[in-house]
Amino acid sequence: AQTVTQSQPEMSVQEAETVTLSCTYDTSESNYYLFWYKQPPSRQMILVIRQEAYKQQNATENRFSVNFQKAAKSFSLKISDSQLGDTAMYFCAFMKDTGNQFYFGTGTSLTVIP
Amino acid sequence: GAVVSQHPSWVICKSGTSVKIECRSLDFQATTMFWYRQFPKQSLMLMATSNEGSKATYEQGVEKDKFLINHASLTLSTLTVTSAHPEDSSFYICSARDGGGARDTQYFGPGTRLTVL
Repeated sequence: AQTVTQSQPEMSVQEAETVTLSCTYDTSESNYYLFWYKQPPSRQMILVIRQEAYKQQNATENRFSVNFQKAAKSFSLKISDSQLGDTAMYFCAFMKDTGNQFYFGTGTSLTVIP
Repeated sequence: GAVVSQHPSWVICKSGTSVKIECRSLDFQATTMFWYRQFPKQSLMLMATSNEGSKATYEQGVEKDKFLINHASLTLSTLTVTSAHPEDSSFYICSARDGGGARDTQYFGPGTRLTVL
């Protein structure tokens, strides 16, 4: 079975600063996908960033980047130049390559302070 | 990006009635759709996986006779909560898998808030 752990239930960051959200996972699969989703107060799940496990290069999307450490089974999200609109719940998610199952972490509530 | 819609966005019903929630992929074909349930300040709990043209696969502990899922086409899946009770009140989210091309990922609908009186 796969498990996803987010050890930071709540975090805060000053506007324009950088913050890192941690995520670890456990799996015996050799190939898989990892995701970060954002859920703002509207509760719409929004894809932030996606990483294929077979790619060594860390994914980046504008102000969002990941630090993917496959051996350590770690997948942290770095948000640079934090904006007020980044305030949301952030979920780390794992998907097996051959299956459709998504496994979500428990989430980290991020507050950007003006 | 891909768009997934849900209807209705919120619904209030009396105990004992049935409620149908629709999930549509608007600009891609989704052979697989997923239904999640989310309680306040908690993570998403997968309820079932819906495959077009076949029976849904339910997660352990989810009553298939209570939560009826139909995936009649490549762009539509429905979740019917039968004989709803107050404990069924929750936020229900669907997602659709876009397996086309090189990007295999899921896109989520905006969710449906169900309140059972």
